[in-house]
Amino acid sequence: DQQVKQNSPSLSVQEGRISILNCDYTNSMFDYFLWYKKYPAEGPTFLISISSIKDKNEDGRFTVFLNKSAKHLSLHIVPSQPGDSAVYFCAAIFTGGGNKLTFGTGTQLKVEL
Amino acid sequence: NAGVMQNPRHLVRRRGQEARLRCSPMKGHSHVYWYRQLPEEGLKFMVYLQKENIIDESGMPKERFSAEFPKEGPSILRIQQVVRGDSAAYFCASSPNGGQGSYEQYFGPGTRLTVT
Repeated sequence: DQQVKQNSPSLSVQEGRISILNCDYTNSMFDYFLWYKKYPAEGPTFLISISSIKDKNEDGRFTVFLNKSAKHLSLHIVPSQPGDSAVYFCAAIFTGGGNKLTFGTGTQLKVEL
Repeated sequence: NAGVMQNPRHLVRRRGQEARLRCSPMKGHSHVYWYRQLPEEGLKFMVYLQKENIIDESGMPKERFSAEFPKEGPSILRIQQVVRGDSAAYFCASSPNGGQGSYEQYFGPGTRLTVT
């Protein structure tokens, strides 16, 4: 039962353009969402998060949008840089049910020159 | 400011042996989480611990797996009588508190367990 889904296993974008990574969830109890970036043979690195009381959060080149009614969130990276090439995981928490993160399966982003 | 430390980074065990994975949280963090990533999959929650307490072990397999976070020293994930299906990357994460407005968890580099 995959409660957090990232339906695009890979995405290729040109340097300088916008990267949009999508994530859908099925559990309406989730109320906090996070994005992580992961390079091969390393642990995930926290990027940005959003609470369900907001619909947008921005940090530098990274913006996360949340559409609660659609149970959908997206991560926008503008402008994309070659160093952004990595696997991106979205994760969700039900804050009233403990702190465990439920992860999606990841999207491999490749930023080409 | 050291991040989450995990050792060993790579561990090879034969079927039936025991595997011990260690995790030292970030300085000032008292909450530790273990996750497992099987090949071609996302990370799956295993267990959440505070010092000397298991808070949530709902993701732990019922047999052969155990975890502890003693008052002194690192957190240990122990796998007894390993089988090939235990081959995976095991990640530890830590947080400064149990949520309370900020739910970010910070991950270590992982231990790659290979069972031969």
